[in-house]
Amino acid sequence: DGGITQSPKYLFRKEGQNVTLSCEQNLNHDAMYWYRQDPGQGLRLIYYSQIVNDFQKGDIAEGYSVSREKKESFPLTVTSAQKNPTAFYLCASGGTDSYEQYFGPGTRLTVT
Amino acid sequence: AQSVSQHNHHVILSEAASLELGCNYSYGGTVNLFWYVQYPGQHLQLLLKYFSGDPLVKGIKGFEAEFIKSKFSFNLRKPSVQWSDTAEYFCAVTPGYGNKLVFGAGTILRVKS
Repeated sequence: DGGITQSPKYLFRKEGQNVTLSCEQNLNHDAMYWYRQDPGQGLRLIYYSQIVNDFQKGDIAEGYSVSREKKESFPLTVTSAQKNPTAFYLCASGGTDSYEQYFGPGTRLTVT
Repeated sequence: AQSVSQHNHHVILSEAASLELGCNYSYGGTVNLFWYVQYPGQHLQLLLKYFSGDPLVKGIKGFEAEFIKSKFSFNLRKPSVQWSDTAEYFCAVTPGYGNKLVFGAGTILRVKS
């Protein structure tokens, strides 16, 4: 069953704590992406990776960090430096020779 | 700033009404265009895409979109909506030089049965 999995579906944290969101894909895609979705703002790109051990900042990278040690995995850490971390986070993957992206089910993070 | 604009944030229609959702982008040159849909509780999924060729593209579930280069537009249409089309719709663009998607703010469509 091919696809993208994100876990957990819901995550609650206290302010000041770092939290890591998981994203795994078995589509054999080279590229992976993290987006943040807020009501009325669409999806905004946080980080992306075109290949293992390489990643680039997107439009709103401040307060986030990523790693890409394996092709299948692209975890996102929301650090305590992120001013407004409560949001819906979506992971996506795609081939580097294709413009299509496939999305996971998302993780809703609430920080209080 | 380069961007993607969706004109309506909320649209309410009765079943069988026709739908047109506007999308304009501000990138010059070659672009790739997409409409994604997010049904309640489901993954974001691709509705249709335009890369080149015929500017009228057909997607899933009876949706279509027309690329008008001179107007920098890629409007989504459906002749007759159903209650099951209730969802949030996102227009997205990749400028020709890369595969980073830039999304519009989204349009929430509610279809009344």
